[in-house]
Amino acid sequence: DIQMTQSPSSLSASVGDRVTITCRASQLINNYLAWIQQKPGKAPKSLIYAASTLQSGVPSKFSGSGSGTDFTLTISSLQPEDFATYYCQQYNSYPPTFGGGTKVEIK
Amino acid sequence: QVQLQESGPGLVKPSETLSLTCTVSGGSISRYYWSWIRQTPGKGLEWIGYIYYGSTNYNPSLKSRVTILVETSKNQFSLKLSSVTAADTAVYYCARHSGSYFPFDYWGQGTLVTVSS
Repeated sequence: DIQMTQSPSSLSASVGDRVTITCRASQLINNYLAWIQQKPGKAPKSLIYAASTLQSGVPSKFSGSGSGTDFTLTISSLQPEDFATYYCQQYNSYPPTFGGGTKVEIK
Repeated sequence: QVQLQESGPGLVKPSETLSLTCTVSGGSISRYYWSWIRQTPGKGLEWIGYIYYGSTNYNPSLKSRVTILVETSKNQFSLKLSSVTAADTAVYYCARHSGSYFPFDYWGQGTLVTVSS
């Protein structure tokens, strides 16, 4: 299985901050990389696929970049509704696997 | 707007079979892939398997215990996990994707299943 490693596992940030989360795959995944937002008690929400393509309806403050094995999720200006846990996920090979998550908390 | 809703018993005894159903609304279950995923504090998010029409693909780590079926007339698909142990205690999610090498685009909000006597 492909291992997905996220960092940091948690971070504290203020409203308006720029936040960056990284994700590393244990082997090449051909940009088959998605970012998912999870809030307590809510359905996980797909934000980005193909490493950098926003899902329909996702605001442009979210962006994804990277290639090969190293990927980044950036939130350009953190808003109260963005405090959540974020996961990366590879779908290049089976089984699909997920990172351990990054919890974004209010400073 | 497509919505997915998991349902089933929240408590299952050890060695018994866990059974869950995912009901899809706002769209047809046809032409899409439908997966089950679970989340535990220890192992995080784990893909269990998918069904596409009648074809299935399961995580090798669970393959011997998993069955996923689809009931097109009811716009539902289901998960059965046999011989459960405490390690199968998790929040179980259903999710949609457009192909076997496509990302999950819609998720249910999840249902907690506890394995305990």
